[in-house]
Amino acid sequence: EVQLVQSGAEVKKPGESLKISCMGSGYTFINYWIGWVRQMPGKGLEWMGIVFPGDSDTRYSPSIQGQVTISVDTSITTAYLQWNSLKASDTGIYYCARRWKYRDGAAGDAFDYWGQGTLVTVSS
Amino acid sequence: AIQMTQSPSSLSASVGDRVTITCRASQGIGNDLGWYQQKPGRAPKLLIYGASSLQSGVSSRFSGSGSGTDFTLTINSLQPEDFAAYYCLHDYNFPWAFGQGTKVEI
Repeated sequence: EVQLVQSGAEVKKPGESLKISCMGSGYTFINYWIGWVRQMPGKGLEWMGIVFPGDSDTRYSPSIQGQVTISVDTSITTAYLQWNSLKASDTGIYYCARRWKYRDGAAGDAFDYWGQGTLVTVSS
Repeated sequence: AIQMTQSPSSLSASVGDRVTITCRASQGIGNDLGWYQQKPGRAPKLLIYGASSLQSGVSSRFSGSGSGTDFTLTINSLQPEDFAAYYCLHDYNFPWAFGQGTKVEI
């Protein structure tokens, strides 16, 4: 059974650093991209970025680039989302999701499996 | 970057109704679009991929159509468990982008 299990809720102060995780199991981890999606309180979904565990190729949304770092550790089948200096506006739920390629060639993708979400609260 | 405009932002409906949600891309994306359902406190769930293909295990009440820039999600005979938020997501190229979402309320 494919599973993405995320780390638990975090409460942090502005300026602190944070690294949350997403562990994949039940499939060949290095063969599937893992994406991160943000949901601010009461708001919609926002695509943040995506990483390919096979070679650590990483792509970011222009609005997110430079604010977070996405990485992987293939030895423990885990993807990470990291902040060096949190802001109150980083408060939200963060989901990881597996990119599924349903069609050969360019595009033809979807997020087929999702983690349960990690709530990050940044408050002084 | 391609932007997705989804409408309406919310709608009220009754059990048994037919509901239509639309998404428009800022440029042509072929059929590289998916639809997701999110219930309160839960992770999103893939309903439709490739604009019109039903994900395994998803009720046939859900259907998708469209290509290029205009896409539609239709829910036939709305059921109580369908009251949720719905999002489109294009995967044409990076960065992918979600629509703003549609909340389907009773």
